[in-house]
Amino acid sequence: DQQVKQNSPSLSVQEGRISILNCDYTNSMFDYFLWYKKYPAEGPTFLISISSIKDKNEDGRFTVFLNKSAKHLSLHIVPSQPGDSAVYFCAASENYGQNFVFGPGTRLSVLP
Amino acid sequence: DVKVTQSSRYLVKRTGEKVFLECVQDMDHENMFWYRQDPGLGLRLIYFSYDVKMKEKGDIPEGYSVSREKKERFSLILESASTNQTSMYLCASSSRIKGGSYEQYFGPGTRLTVT
Repeated sequence: DQQVKQNSPSLSVQEGRISILNCDYTNSMFDYFLWYKKYPAEGPTFLISISSIKDKNEDGRFTVFLNKSAKHLSLHIVPSQPGDSAVYFCAASENYGQNFVFGPGTRLSVLP
Repeated sequence: DVKVTQSSRYLVKRTGEKVFLECVQDMDHENMFWYRQDPGLGLRLIYFSYDVKMKEKGDIPEGYSVSREKKERFSLILESASTNQTSMYLCASSSRIKGGSYEQYFGPGTRLTVT
């Protein structure tokens, strides 16, 4: 049973618009969340994180929102660029630990 | 810059062969991990190691073993490769970052095909 779910396998967005990638989790002990971005034939690279004491974290065009009561987080990319086209993984850990549970990923395509 | 390297980008092996996947990190990280990535399943943890000669099973250790003889090197071994082990294998190392949490750094991956 997947503890971290990304229910949209793929998402297409026009360049310049907002991309919203969603992630749901079932384990209420998760308190630290990461988003990774992965291009084909490369390893995932860290994008942004959020801890459970916050409900929002921003880094440039990327914002992550956390709704603990709904066990839901989302990654917003504004404005979306063609170079953002990649697979995005949501990951979560307990006790700010180093063992992360990854979601299945969402493939984002940003169309020029 | 943290660098995690994996010995091969692509490998093709026959069923029953013993397969070694090597991973080296250059940042003196204590912790290293092996994942496999399959479509629709994301990254699943096979084994991890907190220190030299220490290893812990992840979520899917069956059919795999690991070795960590030196801090910078973590090897994944498929004792007798099977077709269901065809996958992308990703190595990672981690360090504690600001705020006390961890961030994992990944290698480029090895795409293994078992025929």
